[in-house]
Amino acid sequence: EVQVVESGGGLVQPGGSLRLSCAGSGFIFSTYWMTWVRRAPGKGLEWVANIKQDGSERYYGDSVKGRFTISRDNARNSLYLQMNSLRAEDTAVYYCAREREIQGNLLDYWGQGTLVTVSS
Amino acid sequence: AIQMTQSPSSLSASVGDRVTITCRASQGIRNDLGWYQLKPGRAPKLLIYAASTLQNGVPSRFSGSGSDTDFTLTINSLQPEDSATYYCLQDYNYPFTFGPGTKVDIK
Repeated sequence: EVQVVESGGGLVQPGGSLRLSCAGSGFIFSTYWMTWVRRAPGKGLEWVANIKQDGSERYYGDSVKGRFTISRDNARNSLYLQMNSLRAEDTAVYYCAREREIQGNLLDYWGQGTLVTVSS
Repeated sequence: AIQMTQSPSSLSASVGDRVTITCRASQGIRNDLGWYQLKPGRAPKLLIYAASTLQNGVPSRFSGSGSDTDFTLTINSLQPEDSATYYCLQDYNYPFTFGPGTKVDIK
């Protein structure tokens, strides 16, 4: 069974840092792009970043570019999101999703999310 | 970045109704569009990809259509479990962008 499970969320002060993790299982992790998406309280879904199978390509949403870094460790079947210079508006549930390249790029398996709260 | 809009922002319909949600892109995106369903406390779920291809396991009452800038998600014979917020996502170019969402309530 394909599963992705996020961890690492919590309360952090503005300007602080946090690293999220996502563990993939039930599929060959190294053969898929992986993606982070977030949903702020009362807001809609926002695409955050994705990363190619070998880590050679990474793309970011405009609101996180330069502050967040996506990475992966295929030996550990794990995806990461390093979040620096955090702001109140980064408060959100962060979802990890498997990205499948077939007739475009689709997000076919998602985790339940991990909550990040940026507040003093 | 490509801007995505959706209409309506919310709707209320009865069980058995046909519901239509539209999504518009600020520039042509071929058919590089997916539809996702989000329920409170649940993981988002892929419904449709490539504008009109039904994801495995999704009920056939869901369908998608459109290309270039205008897209539609249709729910035929609305069911109670379809109460959710629906989002379109363009995967034509980076950064990928979601629409603002359409909340569907059951009367």
